[in-house]
Amino acid sequence: EPEVTQTPSHQVTQMGQEVILRCVPISNHLYFYWYRQILGQKVEFLVSFYNNEISEKSEIFDDQFSVERPDGSNFTLKIRSTKLEDSAMYFCATKRTSGGTDTQYFGPGTRLTVL
Amino acid sequence: AQSVSQHNHHVILSEAASLELGCNYSYGGTVNLFWYVQYPGQHLQLLLKYFSGDPLVKGIKGFEAEFIKSKFSFNLRKPSVQWSDTAEYFCAVNAGSWGGGADGLTFGKGTHLIIQP
Repeated sequence: EPEVTQTPSHQVTQMGQEVILRCVPISNHLYFYWYRQILGQKVEFLVSFYNNEISEKSEIFDDQFSVERPDGSNFTLKIRSTKLEDSAMYFCATKRTSGGTDTQYFGPGTRLTVL
Repeated sequence: AQSVSQHNHHVILSEAASLELGCNYSYGGTVNLFWYVQYPGQHLQLLLKYFSGDPLVKGIKGFEAEFIKSKFSFNLRKPSVQWSDTAEYFCAVNAGSWGGGADGLTFGKGTHLIIQP
């Protein structure tokens, strides 16, 4: 059973629309991450989130993006006004410590298509 | 800033062949190193990781990787591949020392491995 589930599995939206991607960890994890993978390119880090605030963000994570954990379980990524170049797979990950080391476990991803 | 380079974008092997996928990283400090695998239609799964200690690490499904600090490398190996190893393989790194959640992974571009029966 995966550590993380994501909804929806596929989201199609019009350019300029807002989208919210959701991530639900199976157990009570505290660290959350969002990554994206544009088709044919590498997986890129967007943002990490701990204790209800952003810990680290990449250059990609501009003002169009925001994250929150509104109800203590779901972890969301919001894109305010989507652009064609936002089309990608978006992966959520959570971190768990095992044997004294930390590992990020990835969800199945949401495929975002911006038309 | 960290960067990861995977030398082989596409690799085609026959079953029972030996596998070595190259990974080099660029970072000035201590790093943690990972190999993830993505089977067709599935999510990223951890194969193995290196944090410290023995530079030869063993992972799931018979995979292993060796950290060579002087070469900034973390190559993935498997002595005898199977058809079920067909997948995309990603090398990744993050900073070895971190605070809170400041440990985003930097990925390589991935290697698409196809095993022919």
